[in-house]
Amino acid sequence: GAGVSQSPSNKVTEKGKDVELRCDPISGHTALYWYRQRLGQGLEFLIYFQGNSAPDKSGLPSDRFSAERTGESVSTLTIQRTQQEDSAVYLCASSPYPGRTEAFFGQGTRLTVV
Amino acid sequence: AQSVTQLDSQVPVFEEAPVELRCNYSSSVSVYLFWYVQYPNQGLQLLLKYLSGSTLVKGINGFEAEFNKSQTSFHLRKPSVHISATAEYFCAHGDNKFYFGSGTKLNVKP
Repeated sequence: GAGVSQSPSNKVTEKGKDVELRCDPISGHTALYWYRQRLGQGLEFLIYFQGNSAPDKSGLPSDRFSAERTGESVSTLTIQRTQQEDSAVYLCASSPYPGRTEAFFGQGTRLTVV
Repeated sequence: AQSVTQLDSQVPVFEEAPVELRCNYSSSVSVYLFWYVQYPNQGLQLLLKYLSGSTLVKGINGFEAEFNKSQTSFHLRKPSVHISATAEYFCAHGDNKFYFGSGTKLNVKP
């Protein structure tokens, strides 16, 4: 596609439910990143995928968070047993060369846990 | 660990005045630096990037930034700002993954 696509754009869920967020990176981009942006805050790194290498999960805040990516395609971020503090915009980005050129961002998924 | 520091969380400025948003990064062998802009309720858009070469980088919307290796800085500047520049600006350092600063909210007043 022309850009990074994220779905859904908005998600409202009840506390305790699981949610799955999807990211379609730009075709051919080997690197994929997930960030979390709480209201009025900066970008918090969550996880980074690079090709077939083991992902860098150092930013995942708890074991309720997990993410998968198959090859260089779609990625899903799963949050289990959602809590109110999980409410945020989740941003996905992809890049052809990790760190050495810009990351292209999707519009984000706004998650609201009620 | 790598890090990026944006010294000002908010910068108020009057329209047509010059503006500088400051960014410092932790020293690294490789230096790839970026400025992104985020308008309200939108994603991040690249303003400019430094990968190598000239230390003065020009970007979109009349912004420019200067890479200063000795001061480990990459400050963003514009000689005259319009109200439409009101947004949040993020500095980032690339080194495999991207390290973002905490952001600077630019508020341009009429």
